[in-house]
Amino acid sequence: ETGVTQSPTHLIKTRGQQVTLRCSSQSGHNTVSWYQQALGQGPQFIFQYYREEENGRGNFPPRFSGLQFPNYSSELNVNALELDDSALYLCASSLGLADYNEQFFGPGTRLTVL
Amino acid sequence: DAKTTQPPSMDCAEGRAANLPCNHSTISGNEYVYWYRQIHSQGPQYIIHGLKNNETNEMASLIITEDRKSSTLILPHATLRDTAVYYCIVRVELGYSTLTFGKGTMLLVSP
Repeated sequence: ETGVTQSPTHLIKTRGQQVTLRCSSQSGHNTVSWYQQALGQGPQFIFQYYREEENGRGNFPPRFSGLQFPNYSSELNVNALELDDSALYLCASSLGLADYNEQFFGPGTRLTVL
Repeated sequence: DAKTTQPPSMDCAEGRAANLPCNHSTISGNEYVYWYRQIHSQGPQYIIHGLKNNETNEMASLIITEDRKSSTLILPHATLRDTAVYYCIVRVELGYSTLTFGKGTMLLVSP
């Protein structure tokens, strides 16, 4: 069984650029959630995808967007990068939407915006 | 949203029990209490969850008070590898499964 993987591990961008982060969910999981974790803070929910459809969204602007593919892997896209977007971006997969389903997290992508 | 309150940091000697408290006084009757931990430079890791009964697994025990307004995560024999930030989370009912993290408790296990 393969766990959640994310790529790249680290990324440096400049303000105004666009970035795409990738996530492969754990085998058999059809739900992917993305979180942003600023330094010293807990992860904050960005959005969730279930069977290729966005199923819920946190308090993030529209320049944060995503996709989920038929194999349930996912992308997080951020346009017009701002300095405050510097953070660890975490992807978590789970089986279905039920509240009791455990979410398995990947190691994250560290994004630095200069 | 039911919010949680945790101490910012705690210390524990290796081999001793670590008891991490969490207050969630506004929890609703059908909301679960979850515990995750995050070791430095890694993604959060699920530990345990419960509704109203005490729970135990290979990692930890979860004690929930009868009124459900607080809980305690117990690591029975802490090791150096248990040094991490521990998050107590009450599952938010938004029609989709998500986790709302606070700042958690930084547990430092020392030799």
